[in-house]
Amino acid sequence: EAGVTQSPTHLIKTRGQQATLRCSPISGHTSVYWYQQALGLGLQFLLWYDEGEERNRGNFPPRFSGRQFPNYSSELNVNALELEDSALYLCASPLGFRDSWSSGKETQYFGPGTRLLVL
Amino acid sequence: AQTVTQSQPEMSVQEAETVTLSCTYDTSESDYYLFWYKQPPSRQMILVIRQEAYKQQNATENRFSVNFQKAAKSFSLKISDSQLGDAAMYFCSMEYGNKLVFGAGTILRVKS
Repeated sequence: EAGVTQSPTHLIKTRGQQATLRCSPISGHTSVYWYQQALGLGLQFLLWYDEGEERNRGNFPPRFSGRQFPNYSSELNVNALELEDSALYLCASPLGFRDSWSSGKETQYFGPGTRLLVL
Repeated sequence: AQTVTQSQPEMSVQEAETVTLSCTYDTSESDYYLFWYKQPPSRQMILVIRQEAYKQQNATENRFSVNFQKAAKSFSLKISDSQLGDAAMYFCSMEYGNKLVFGAGTILRVKS
């Protein structure tokens, strides 16, 4: 079973430009989560897509947006780039685990990340 | 609000010895899940271990085990027989509302 893949591995943009990051979830799985890991700010939840719909978003401005395609791959778009957008962007895909008691929780498995540098 | 706190920015351990990384959290939920992830220099986030809050038994995965104290909201990670490959940033996290909330991380250095 293929893992989570992300492209590109590195991206260099200048302030004011737009960046597009891509993620493919674990084969056959419908959910994609995006996280930002910025220096000094730790890992922060950005967006959650499932079945083509945005289900939840973190405390980020609207210039962070995305979409999910019918094949469940996802794009994260960052418009009007600012210097502080420089970060590692991680995509995660959940694998469910179930037992006789739980409602069916999931463990998130991460891709290798895209390192965005804004100059 | 759900918060996760890792109070140790950095820890060191001698190869083959045991080290414990601390984590505390705050939640009003009764059913939740806790995780430890490892991020080596490659930056790939790797799941180390998972604990379901309703289970009293502490989770173990080979050399990795947790000490889960639900009343104290504490979730520490013990690494036994430390190896050079264990050197990484370790993140404690909690699932909340279908997303993960992370602590600030602990850098673990392993000395040979």
